Parts: sequence; C-alpha cells; structure tokens
Amino acid sequence: EIVMTQSPATLSVSPGERATLSCRASQSVSSNLAWYQQKPGQAPRLLIYGASTRATGIPARFSGSGSGTEFTLTISSLQSEDFAVYYCQQYNNWPGLTFGGGTKVEIK
Amino acid sequence: EVQLVQSGAEVKKPGESLKISCKGSGYSFTSYWIGWVRQMPGKGLEWMGIIYPGDSDTRYSPSFQGQVTISADKSISTAYLQWSSLKASDTAMYYCARLTTVGIIDYWGQGTLVTVSS
Repeated sequence: EIVMTQSPATLSVSPGERATLSCRASQSVSSNLAWYQQKPGQAPRLLIYGASTRATGIPARFSGSGSGTEFTLTISSLQSEDFAVYYCQQYNNWPGLTFGGGTKVEIK
Repeated sequence: EVQLVQSGAEVKKPGESLKISCKGSGYSFTSYWIGWVRQMPGKGLEWMGIIYPGDSDTRYSPSFQGQVTISADKSISTAYLQWSSLKASDTAMYYCARLTTVGIIDYWGQGTLVTVSS
C-alpha cells in the first residue's frame, strides 16, 4: 500500500498570507495526486487533480505542484473561507487508493 | 446536476446489522465507480472500497476486507454499505463518492453518521 504523509499537521496562517501544504508518497505516484478541502460539518470537495489541474469552479489562488513523491498545495492569499482541513489522495495505484492524514489550516 | 444522496443517521447497538444507502442521480449510474470513505470522529479520511454498478465489480481496501460488504442495485441507482455485526469502533461518518475512471473523486454524498453504542 502506498502511504501518503502530509505536513504539517496544523498550519497557522493570517488572512491574506500564503499557505504551503506538503504531501509525500512512500513511492512514486507520478502525477496521480488529488487534493480535497473539507470544512467542518461538510463533505470534502475536490480542489486539484493530476497534481496541478484545478477542478471546476476552484479559485485561481489554489495551485498544486509536484510529481513522483513530493507534492505541494499552495493557497496564495488566504481568505476566511479557506480555513479548513486539506487532504491529498493518490490514485496511481487504482483501484487501490490512499489519503494522507490531512493538514488543518487555522487562523493565526 | 450530479447528486449523491445518502440515507439518514443511524443509532445501533453492538452486534446489530446495518445497511446504509447512496442514491445517485443526474448522471449514468452504471458508468462510474462508487466508493465509500470512513471518517471516525475527529480523524481523517479512510478508503474502504469501491463498486462499479455496471457489472458489480467490487474491490475492498485491505483494512476493510471482510469487515463490510459493498453492493449496488443499478435498477434504482443505489449503492449500499452494510455490516453484519456492528462494533463500537464502527462509529463514524460514512461518505459515498463518485469516482472517475482513474480514481479521482469528483462528487461526494452528504455523509451518513453511524453511532454504535450499548
């Protein structure tokens, strides 16, 4: 099983600042990596797939990068609605899928 | 509009059985995989398994193999997740989700909260 490790577990950021979240795979997943956002009491929603392609309706302040084993989600200027938990997920091993443990982005 | 609508919250006792549902609409139900994801209280997302309603091909995460059963009834566009004997540790939110052919989750259900307590 491919293990996905996210860091940090919690990220404290002020509104308007940049947030950088990391996701590492235990083996190469090529660019088969997605990012999801989950707000309290809500289901997750797809932000990024293919490591860097924004899903429909996702603002341009969200960007993804990386390939192989190292990936980054960047939120260029945090808005109040962006404070949430973010998960990465690999699908290179489809139909075996795995999520990272999540990064909580909280208000500093 | 694509929608996945899950059945309501359940409160059960240890040892009881349970079957929760996920009804898809707004797309061809038999052309996409449906997956189930567990989220225990205050924890992250865990992949449980998937089913292709077109032919009922089912795959389980090793962690959940033998613990749950995933099924689907394509005549009513509904997927199911069931337990034969619940444990307190099954207490969690369970999400169904639609997957693309390569494993990207593009739509999620609203979640079903399952509480198992004596």
